[in-house]
Amino acid sequence: GDSVTQMEGPVTLSEEAFLTINCTYTATGYPSLFWYVQYPGEGLQLLLKATKADDKGSNKGFEATYRKETTSFHLEKGSVQVSDSAVYFCALRGYGGATNKLIFGTGTLLAVQP
Amino acid sequence: DSGVTQTPKHLITATGQRVTLRCSPRSGDLSVYWYQQSLDQGLQFLIQYYNGEERAKGNILERFSAQQFPDLHSELNLSSLELGDSALYFCASSEKAGAGSYEQYFGPGTRLTVT
Repeated sequence: GDSVTQMEGPVTLSEEAFLTINCTYTATGYPSLFWYVQYPGEGLQLLLKATKADDKGSNKGFEATYRKETTSFHLEKGSVQVSDSAVYFCALRGYGGATNKLIFGTGTLLAVQP
Repeated sequence: DSGVTQTPKHLITATGQRVTLRCSPRSGDLSVYWYQQSLDQGLQFLIQYYNGEERAKGNILERFSAQQFPDLHSELNLSSLELGDSALYFCASSEKAGAGSYEQYFGPGTRLTVT
C-alpha cells in the first residue's frame, strides 16, 4: 500500500541555519503530496502542497519539489527562525479511488535555538 | 483558525467507558475525516464521511464508530475504552460541492486520556 517515510528527528538548528527534512513516498499512480506543520498544543496546518511531478510548493519561506524520479518531496527553508519550531509531517493523498484520505509520515520535530 | 471545530478539547475517562467526540466542519465542506494521533502509531486515518455517507474506512477498531448528520457535523463514538485508546483525535474537512478542491483543514483535536 501507499506509504510515506520521513527523516527521524529531532532536528536541532540555530537560528538562520538552512533546513532540510527528507521525505520519500511509495504510491501507485500520481499522488498529491503535502507538508503539514503542528505547533505545540495545536492542530495540523497545511504548509504547502504539490499535485504533479516537478511542481514546487512554497509558503512562508518553505519549499518542496515533487520529484517523481526519486519519489521524494523534501522540505527546505533557507533561514529558519525560532518561531519555526514545530513538528512537520509529510503526507500523500493517493491517486484516484473514492477517498481523499491522507497518509502521513511519522513527523519530524524541529527545534530552532536562538 | 481552520474553521473546523472540535469538542471537547480534553476528555478524561476510565477504562470500559464510552465517549463521543464531536466535529463541525468548515462551512460548506461535505467531507469529514477522523484521524488518531498516538505516540506509538503516529497519525492514522480512521474513517471518512461524505455528505452523510461512509466513504472510506482505515484502521478503525470495531469498538469505534462514527456518523455524519444532515447538518454535516460528525461524531466519533469510542466504546469499551482501553488504556491504549489514549490519543489525540483530529477531525478534518474538505470538498465544498463543485469546488474540486480536496485540501483538508484540521480541527484543534480532542485529547482523550483513559485512566
